[in-house]
This record gives sequence, C-alpha cells and structure tokens, in this order.
Amino acid sequence: EAGVAQSPRYKIIEKRQSVAFWCNPISGHATLYWYQQILGQGPKLLIQFQNNGVVDDSQLPKDRFSAERLKGVDSTLKIQPAKLEDSAVYLCASSTRTAYSPYFGPGTRLLVL
Amino acid sequence: AQSVTQPDIHITVSEGASLELRCNYSYGATPYLFWYVQSPGQGLQLLLKYFSGDTLVQGIKGFEAEFKRSQSSFNLRKPSVHWSDAAEYFCAVASNTGKLIFGQGTTLQVKP
Repeated sequence: EAGVAQSPRYKIIEKRQSVAFWCNPISGHATLYWYQQILGQGPKLLIQFQNNGVVDDSQLPKDRFSAERLKGVDSTLKIQPAKLEDSAVYLCASSTRTAYSPYFGPGTRLLVL
Repeated sequence: AQSVTQPDIHITVSEGASLELRCNYSYGATPYLFWYVQSPGQGLQLLLKYFSGDTLVQGIKGFEAEFKRSQSSFNLRKPSVHWSDAAEYFCAVASNTGKLIFGQGTTLQVKP
C-alpha cells in the first residue's frame, strides 16, 4: 500500500512570496489533515477535511493560508504572502473515516528568508 | 482544554539500558492516546495507541506504554534501547473529531 505522498520535499522562498504544497493521501482515506510543525515543537493542526468538506480550520491563519481538497482526494495548501514565522515542516496525514490514528507523509520543509 | 505535556525535552540513555518517556494529558472524557516517533527528516510513525481495554499497550519496535487514568499519564517504555531508537518521540491525544493534539516532544539520544 502506497503511503501519503507530499511535494515538494523542500522549499526556500523570500518573505511576501507565495508557495503551495501538494498532498496525495492513501487511497480510500476520507479524512485528510494538514499539520504545521515548527522547529522544537509538536505538530499543530491547521485544517482537517472529511472528503471535500472542512471539519476543523480553527487554527488556520485565514488571512494568508488557504487549503482545498477538490474531489475529496488530493489537497493543496497555499501560503500567500509568506512570513518568516511560517518556516516549518508541513505534514499531511490521512485516515479512514472511523480511524483515529492517521498516517503521516514525509512532510514539506519550508524556509522563509 | 485538551493538552499534552511531555516534561522531558531531552533524554540520554546508554545502549542496552531501559527507557521511560513521560507523557501527561488533560482530557475530559476517556482519551484516545498515541505515541509517534520521528526520525530526522522523516514523517511521523505510529508506535502504539490506546483506545480502551488493557491499560498496558504493546507497540512496534519493542515499545510499550501504560495508561494510568488516576495519574493522567501514558508513559512509553522499552526494556533495552538500541542505537537506532535515537529520534524524537511525540505523545498525542485525539479529540472527538480525530484531531491529534501533540506534546512538545522528547528527543532521545543513545550513547554507545
């Protein structure tokens, strides 16, 4: 079984630029999560999708972050414009509808200069 | 509010020695608890989870954890540590929507 795929793996941008990350969950997984992991901290949920609907986006900075999951499969997370404090690893995870232990992708490491 | 505390930021043990990583949680209902491991540059891998039943949970790679409701704890243990266990370990609790709330993490260093 293929795991959660993410791209790119690394990205370096300057502040005020925009960036997008892509995630392909495990086939058949209805629930998709985006977590932000700042260096030295545990991951923090940004947004949770159930199929193509949003379950929780309470900690998503909506003035600059956006996410979509068209057709309930792949997802894209965008930051526009980026700030220095957005430097982090962005982890995508997926799970079946009834599971509580998601599978995590390798993450995208973002550095904002 | 739900929260997870991992009191030890960094732990060093000798190879072959036993290991215990501490985790305390705050959650109103019966918690769903997890331990994940993260090697440098890698994503998170699930070691074990507790949903209900036997309070001593066995996981992969020889790890186990014990749920103690009276102490609000879910400590991770391993009887004999290998050099390959050096990594960062995260304890987490799940909300009723499946969202995971993570602790700050404990970095494990293994001395030869």
